[in-house]
Amino acid sequence: AQKITQTQPGMFVQEKEAVTLDCTYDTSDPSYGLFWYKQPSSGEMIFLIYQGSYDQQNATEGRYSLNFQKARKSANLVISASQLGDSAMYFCAMIPYGFNKFYFGSGTKLNVKP
Amino acid sequence: GAGVSQSPRYKVAKRGQDVALRCDPISGHVSLFWYQQALGQGPEFLTYFQNEAQLDKSGLPSDRFFAERPEGSVSTLKIQRTQQEDSAVYLCASSLYESSSDTQYFGPGTRLTVL
Repeated sequence: AQKITQTQPGMFVQEKEAVTLDCTYDTSDPSYGLFWYKQPSSGEMIFLIYQGSYDQQNATEGRYSLNFQKARKSANLVISASQLGDSAMYFCAMIPYGFNKFYFGSGTKLNVKP
Repeated sequence: GAGVSQSPRYKVAKRGQDVALRCDPISGHVSLFWYQQALGQGPEFLTYFQNEAQLDKSGLPSDRFFAERPEGSVSTLKIQRTQQEDSAVYLCASSLYESSSDTQYFGPGTRLTVL
C-alpha cells in the first residue's frame, strides 16, 4: 500500500523568505517518482517539480528544489524567495514505476505574508 | 488551447440525476486520467486510459461511475443516479506518453454539487 503524509495543514511565510513543505511517503516499491503540484484557488493543479527515486541529485526548478532523502522516505519541497503569488495549496504525490496513478497527500496550505 | 480543458466547470445535480463530465486532453497525449477531489483532501485516482483503452478503473467508487475515451482523445466521465457523496471536484489529467515518470498535466476541474 502507498501512503503520502503531509503533516502541515497550513503554513505562513514572510515574503522573500524561504519555506520548506514536508512530505513523507511509505511504499514497498523499489522505484517510483515523486512530484509536487501547486493548486491555487482557481483549482488547477500546476506541476512544479519531479524527482525519480534513482536520481542521485536533488531536483531543482527555478525557485523550487526538492530535498530528497531516500532512506528517510522524505521529499520536502523548498521554495526560495517566497512571492505573494505562491499562496496556494501544495500537494506531494508519488507514482510507483510501472503503474499509472498518483497517490496524493492531503496538502499544505501556504500563505505568503507581505 | 494548449492545456487540458474540462466542461462544465460547475454542475449542480439533483440526487438521482445522471451527469456527464467532459475532458479535452492536450493534443497528442497518449495517457488520460480522472481523479476525484473531495473538499479539503488530495485528489484520488479514479481511472486511466492509454489511447482509447481503459487500462485501470480500480478507483471508480461504484458501478454508477463509467468513463470512456472512444477515439483516444476526448474523454467523458458519467455518473448515474448521483448521490450526495458524489459531490466533489473531478479532475482530468493527461500525459504525453504512458511512462510513470511522465508529468501529468491537469485541467481546472469540474465541481459537482449533488443536492
